[in-house]
Amino acid sequence: GQNIDQPTEMTATEGAIVQINCTYQTSGFNGLFWYQQHAGEAPTFLSYNVLDGLEEKGRFSSFLSRSKGYSYLLLKELQMKDSASYLCAVSPLAGGYNKLIFGAGTRLAVHP
Amino acid sequence: GAVVSQHPSRVICKSGTSVKIECRSLDFQATTMFWYRQFPKKSLMLMATSNEGSKATYEQGVEKDKFLINHASLTLSTLTVTSAHPEDSSFYICSASFRDRGREQYFGPGTRLTVT
Repeated sequence: GQNIDQPTEMTATEGAIVQINCTYQTSGFNGLFWYQQHAGEAPTFLSYNVLDGLEEKGRFSSFLSRSKGYSYLLLKELQMKDSASYLCAVSPLAGGYNKLIFGAGTRLAVHP
Repeated sequence: GAVVSQHPSRVICKSGTSVKIECRSLDFQATTMFWYRQFPKKSLMLMATSNEGSKATYEQGVEKDKFLINHASLTLSTLTVTSAHPEDSSFYICSASFRDRGREQYFGPGTRLTVT
């Protein structure tokens, strides 16, 4: 079966760093995505990892270890606007080239 | 680029009626479109995958006769919720992808359906 786990909720302080973890067990692996979703809005793309290692993009970085079935999203210099849900999604080998399986999402609350 | 629109953004309908939701890719031709539903504070649940000109592939547990998907062109897909019931009330989101951009999906703004 397909299983993607991430913490339900996290809180952090403005200006700090937060790491959101994601573990996955899927029938094959063709890449892992992180999306940000504000309440009542559509998800927006943050990052894509298909090879092991760290991808950095401004204040956001994403890490992947395929052998461990593990990824994390690192948010630096947190801002209040970063309060949102962060969705981990995996593209499995089976089921179509572009299909994504989403985790339940991590609701991040940034406070002053 | 890669903008996806959905219409309507909100709809309220009576139990037993049908509702159609449109998903359009505005500045690209979508190879594939996806339909998700999302319950409050929950993640996206994939309902079906549709390719232009072919039948949609539904996920296990999704009733294809209740959720009719039509993908008539490379820029338009529609989801029709037939004989809607209150338990169909949800946030429905579409996304689109195209071959040149790999596996990335571009999401529409979503449609809030309330069935009374």
